[in-house]
Amino acid sequence: GQQVMQIPQYQHVQEGEDFTTYCNSSTTLSNIQWYKQRPGGHPVFLIQLVKSGEVKKQKRLTFQFGEAKKNSSLHITATQTTDVGTYFCAGSTGNQFYFGTGTSLTVIP
Amino acid sequence: NAGVTQTPKFRILKIGQSMTLQCTQDMNHNYMYWYRQDPGMGLKLIYYSVGAGITDKGEVPNGYNVSRSTTEDFPLRLELAAPSQTSVYFCASSGYRDSPYGYTFGSGTRLTVV
Repeated sequence: GQQVMQIPQYQHVQEGEDFTTYCNSSTTLSNIQWYKQRPGGHPVFLIQLVKSGEVKKQKRLTFQFGEAKKNSSLHITATQTTDVGTYFCAGSTGNQFYFGTGTSLTVIP
Repeated sequence: NAGVTQTPKFRILKIGQSMTLQCTQDMNHNYMYWYRQDPGMGLKLIYYSVGAGITDKGEVPNGYNVSRSTTEDFPLRLELAAPSQTSVYFCASSGYRDSPYGYTFGSGTRLTVV
């Protein structure tokens, strides 16, 4: 079954509001990656986290890897219309690599 | 660098027809992957390859075949197309499975089986 789940599935925010998506695994992950897919586009790699409790920032995006390496989050501060798209996490466990179910973000101008 | 190139971008197949989706990468990546993405859904791994001459099944391999005769090319073959194979197909590559640079995806092939 599905190894990596994301919540929420959909999120509508007003431009300028913050947004967070959560990624949860049933097993410990060796690393977590995040991707963004614009509507009609293909997934684009954003970042990889490897260490327990790791936090990385890319401008308005903050990525966290949980202490137990079973969960992760992506937080966007002050969303803009350019943030529209689906955000996927993806993690390695054993010799498998799973993509999460994705969170679709809509930003209302 | 072109990255990962997929052809065709769109295709309509009739039930029972066959076709090959082409994928080429110019980054000298060892690892290549085929995913399918159904509307509003995540990515499901069909097949992957860790190098020329080596392929293995992913989560949803039934109805598909692959080959990897060169590092650059990883074609996906659909035999006897079925409506359930209507999807968007993405090819991706990486230097290795847990590369810190992630996977590089092609722009996708949108396939409809009628």
